[in-house]
Amino acid sequence: NAGVTQTPKFRVLKTGQSMTLLCAQDMNHEYMYWYRQDPGMGLRLIHYSVGEGTTAKGEVPDGYNVSRLKKQNFLLGLESAAPSQTSVYFCASSPGHLSGGYGYTFGSGTRLTVV
Amino acid sequence: GDSVTQMEGPVTLSEEAFLTINCTYTATGYPSLFWYVQYPGEGLQLLLKATKADDKGSNKGFEATYRKETTSFHLEKGSVQVSDSAVYFCALSDDTDKLIFGTGTRLQVFP
Repeated sequence: NAGVTQTPKFRVLKTGQSMTLLCAQDMNHEYMYWYRQDPGMGLRLIHYSVGEGTTAKGEVPDGYNVSRLKKQNFLLGLESAAPSQTSVYFCASSPGHLSGGYGYTFGSGTRLTVV
Repeated sequence: GDSVTQMEGPVTLSEEAFLTINCTYTATGYPSLFWYVQYPGEGLQLLLKATKADDKGSNKGFEATYRKETTSFHLEKGSVQVSDSAVYFCALSDDTDKLIFGTGTRLQVFP
C-alpha cells in the first residue's frame, strides 16, 4: 500500500548513543516533516523539508539533525541521545500547499526510549 | 503566532451518545482546518477538513463547520460507537505550509 513508512518501530538507546530514524514515502510528495509526540503536549514540529535537498528548523530542533538527499526519504538523526528525547516520533508528508486542503499523510511512528 | 486550542479530555460517553469536541483557533490569515484521529498504537489519519469559511467537512458520520466569526471548528457526531474511541486532534495550516496541532482530546466510548 502507498504511504509513509518509518523504521524502526521501536528502539531503546543509552544516553550519548546516536541513531538515525528513516522515513520513506512513495507518493511523490514534495514536503516532509518530523514531529515528536509527548503526553499532554500534542505534536511538535522538529524539522521539515519542502523539497529534495532542502531542510528547515521547526519548533523543537535542538539535538536533532535531518537530511533529504532523495525526494522519497527524510532522515532524522540524534547525535548524542538524551533522556529528554524519549518520545514517539512521527514522519509525515504532503503534496504541497496546505491551503489547498491536502493535509498530511502520517507514518505509524517510532517509539524511542533513552535510558 | 497561530495556535489551536482543544477541550481537555478524556471525553467519556456511552455508545450512541452525541459527541462534541470543541476546537478554537487563532490565525492571522485564512487557514485550512483539519481534524485528525489517532487510534491506539497508530499514526494520525486525516478525518475531515475545510478550506474556507462556512465549509463543512464530513467523514464516517463526523462533521465540523469552519466558523470564521467564532474562530471555531468543533467536531460532532450524532451517535458514537465503541470503535470511535481514539485521540482526536484539531489542526490548522499556517501561512508557511505547516500544520499546527492542538494537544488532542481522548474519546472513550463504553458499551
